[in-house]
Amino acid sequence: GAGVSQSPSNKVTEKGKDVELRCDPISGHTALYWYRQSLGQGLEFLIYFQGNSAPDKSGLPSDRFSAERTGGSVSTLTIQRTQQEDSAVYLCASSLGRVSSGNTIYFGEGSWLTVV
Amino acid sequence: KNQVEQSPQSLIILEGKNCTLQCNYTVSPFSNLRWYKQDTGRGPVSLTIMTFSENTKSNGRYTATLDADTKQSSLHITASQLSDSASYICVVSDLLVGRGGADGLTFGKGTHLIIQP
Repeated sequence: GAGVSQSPSNKVTEKGKDVELRCDPISGHTALYWYRQSLGQGLEFLIYFQGNSAPDKSGLPSDRFSAERTGGSVSTLTIQRTQQEDSAVYLCASSLGRVSSGNTIYFGEGSWLTVV
Repeated sequence: KNQVEQSPQSLIILEGKNCTLQCNYTVSPFSNLRWYKQDTGRGPVSLTIMTFSENTKSNGRYTATLDADTKQSSLHITASQLSDSASYICVVSDLLVGRGGADGLTFGKGTHLIIQP
């Protein structure tokens, strides 16, 4: 696609429910990132995919969080048994290759999650 | 530990005035530095990328500088406009391929800029 697409754009869920957030990266981009941004805060790294594999999952805040990427394209971030502190914007980004090689990361518009 | 510190945390200036945002980093070995603009409720958008050999780079009214010796970067905005109101995020990449952990990216917490008419 023309840009990184995320869905849903907004999600309100009850505490304890599971949510699934989807990211469709720019076509051909091998690297995919998930970040979390709480209101007024900086970006918090969650997980990074190179192709379908995730070299480092250490940014995931708890075992309630998981992510997968299939076919080297679409990724889903799943939050189980949501808590109020999970309320944040979840940003997905993709890049053509490694950013250490000078590739630019392109962000989606984010999925706004509110847990009530 | 790699760190990126931005200052000021927030800034309010009048429309038409200039301003400079600062970014200090301890990332090593350094690969490149990016400035992103994030409008409220939107995803960050890349403004400029600086590599080790570049000292200055302009993008319209935005001019970024890099001093790799002192590990400092600045983003200068000239003749500010209301649409410049946003958060400006400094992101530094290191050279260690296969490092994991966000592919070697370290994010600053951003400077929240407000342009008043």
